[in-house]
Amino acid sequence: AQSVTQPDIHITVSEGASLELRCNYSYGATPYLFWYVQSPGQGLQLLLKYFSGDTLVQGIKGFEAEFKRSQSSFNLRKPSVHWSDAAEYFCAVGSSGNTGKLIFGQGTTLQVKP
Amino acid sequence: DGGITQSPKYLFRKEGQNVTLSCEQNLNHDAMYWYRQDPGQGLRLIYYSQIVNDFQKGDIAEGYSVSREKKESFPLTVTSAQKNPTAFYLCASIGGGMFSNTEAFFGQGTRLTVV
Repeated sequence: AQSVTQPDIHITVSEGASLELRCNYSYGATPYLFWYVQSPGQGLQLLLKYFSGDTLVQGIKGFEAEFKRSQSSFNLRKPSVHWSDAAEYFCAVGSSGNTGKLIFGQGTTLQVKP
Repeated sequence: DGGITQSPKYLFRKEGQNVTLSCEQNLNHDAMYWYRQDPGQGLRLIYYSQIVNDFQKGDIAEGYSVSREKKESFPLTVTSAQKNPTAFYLCASIGGGMFSNTEAFFGQGTRLTVV
């Protein structure tokens, strides 16, 4: 069965420090992968996506993610975190069958220390 | 501006009541989705519709119903059969008939609380 795992429920980093949020997926074919961000009480905003091609993808707000097929991972990174990055982050994989359904990880809450 | 509008933002339901959450999009998207979000569980799919007058159950459809009479609208009814309806509900849409090189756009959500 398809699944997404975000091993870290909660992460705290200092402002200006680097960030890596982990995402592992289980999927039989080439996956469509996404990272979304959610501020409290709000909807989800797409940070970046991977469909094919270059395995290092750039997104908005200075985020990037690297697709590693051998490790079934799609980790999100940012070189220098800003206080406004504090939010919940979701990794998702597109379900098979061209239905557009998304399978989400449990989410990682990022706290930024001043 | 194009987008997805969910209303109301907050909704309170008494035990045994049915309530309907609204989702409207002006993106001209074919496919629409309802997800439920609970703390620590990510988002789970309730129902989805890829075309007008057709919809499919997601992973947690029990206690919910939907309709898709217009392309722009995909309302979700939380029935009295849903035993634990308190959650944050998110509506999403995707453009195009096939899922290729597109991403889901989300509304701002409706928080439903049983009182």
